[in-house]
Amino acid sequence: AQTVTQSQPEMSVQEAETVTLSCTYDTSESDYYLFWYKQPPSRQMILVIRQEAYKQQNATENRFSVNFQKAAKSFSLKISDSQLGDAAMYFCAYRSTGTASKLTFGTGTRLQVTL
Amino acid sequence: DVKVTQSSRYLVKRTGEKVFLECVQDMDHENMFWYRQDPGLGLRLIYFSYDVKMKEKGDIPEGYSVSREKKERFSLILESASTNQTSMYLCASSLYPGGLTEAFFGQGTRLTVV
Repeated sequence: AQTVTQSQPEMSVQEAETVTLSCTYDTSESDYYLFWYKQPPSRQMILVIRQEAYKQQNATENRFSVNFQKAAKSFSLKISDSQLGDAAMYFCAYRSTGTASKLTFGTGTRLQVTL
Repeated sequence: DVKVTQSSRYLVKRTGEKVFLECVQDMDHENMFWYRQDPGLGLRLIYFSYDVKMKEKGDIPEGYSVSREKKERFSLILESASTNQTSMYLCASSLYPGGLTEAFFGQGTRLTVV
């Protein structure tokens, strides 16, 4: 079974600075999908960014980008120009290919943004 | 916008009660999921459904069952609530069962079993 590891339970960043959240996963598959979800204090989970494993180019969504290292099985999230609204729990998730695949989540990283 | 609505944000139940958590989505999604969220454990999949009346066990199905009689509604049932089922429960739906499909989540039900 696939596992997703987020080794940083908490992170802190100053407003306008850049922060990187780590995620590693364990799989024997060659193709799969990776996601970062954000859960603010409102509890509403929101998709931040997604990446397909066979695409080597790192995904980018405005201030959010990923560093996808397939050989290292690493999928880190970089948040540039951090804003107060970025404060949230961030979850990394893995999905294998196939029509009956499920999303497997990591344990989450709580990001604090300070002035 | 896709909307996934969970019937309660907070719920307090007694040990041994039968508990129903309801989830409704308004975008005709085929797939619906129930997750449990606990501090330090992340989200763990309880059950999922790919179609009406279809269900599949997730990683932690023990003590739970589900019902999907209509496409838009997916219910999680705690047959006999226990204190170790005190948790945050998140419902999600997606249009397709796999790939890069985005999962849309409800706002969660924080269940306390006393």
